[in-house]
Amino acid sequence: GDSVTQMEGPVTLSEEAFLTINCTYTATGYPSLFWYVQYPGEGLQLLLKATKADDKGSNKGFEATYRKETTSFHLEKGSVQVSDSAVYFCALFYSGTYKYIFGTGTRLKVLA
Amino acid sequence: KAGVTQTPRYLIKTRGQQVTLSCSPISGHRSVSWYQQTPGQGLQFLFEYFSETQRNKGNFPGRFSGRQFSNSRSEMNVSTLELGDSALYLCASSLDGSSGANVLTFGAGSRLTVL
Repeated sequence: GDSVTQMEGPVTLSEEAFLTINCTYTATGYPSLFWYVQYPGEGLQLLLKATKADDKGSNKGFEATYRKETTSFHLEKGSVQVSDSAVYFCALFYSGTYKYIFGTGTRLKVLA
Repeated sequence: KAGVTQTPRYLIKTRGQQVTLSCSPISGHRSVSWYQQTPGQGLQFLFEYFSETQRNKGNFPGRFSGRQFSNSRSEMNVSTLELGDSALYLCASSLDGSSGANVLTFGAGSRLTVL
C-alpha cells in the first residue's frame, strides 16, 4: 500500500545552519505531496505543497521538489532559526480518497 | 476568521468508559476529517465526512465512530475505552476534501488519557 517514510529525529541544528529533512513515498498512483508543521501545543498547519512531478513548493524559506523518479519530497531550508523548532510531517493525498497518509514526523530543534 | 475549534482540549477517562469529542470547522468548510496522533504511529486517519456522509474510514475498530451535522460540525465517539486509545485526536477541515490540492486546517486537538 501507499506509505510515507521520514528520517528519524530529533534533528538538532545551530541557528543559521542548512536544513534537510528527508521524505520518500511509496505510491500506486500520482498523489499530491505536502509538508505540514506542528508547533508545540498546536495542531498541524500547512507549510508547502506540490501537486505534480517536478513542482516545487516553497514557503517561509522552506522548499521541497516533487521528484517522481526518486519518489522523494525532501524539505530544505538554507538558514534555520530558533523559531523553526517544531515537528515536520510529510504527507501524500490522492484526489477522491478523502484521506492523507502521513509520515511519522521529524522533530527539529534549533539552538541559538 | 475563526479556526477549527476542538473541545474538550484535555480529558481523562478510565478503561471501559466512552468519550465524545467535538469539532467545529472553519466557516464554509464542508469536509471534516479526524486523525489519531500517537508518538509511535504518527497520524492515523480515522474518518472523513462531507455533507453529513462518511466518505472514507480508516482501519480502526468499530468502537470508533463519528458523525457530522447539517452545520458541518462533527463529533467522534470512542466506546469501551482501552489504554491504547490514549492519544491526541486531531480534527481538520477543508472546503471539499477531494481535490488534489486539498489543504487541511487542523484544530489544536483533544488530548485523551485513558487510565
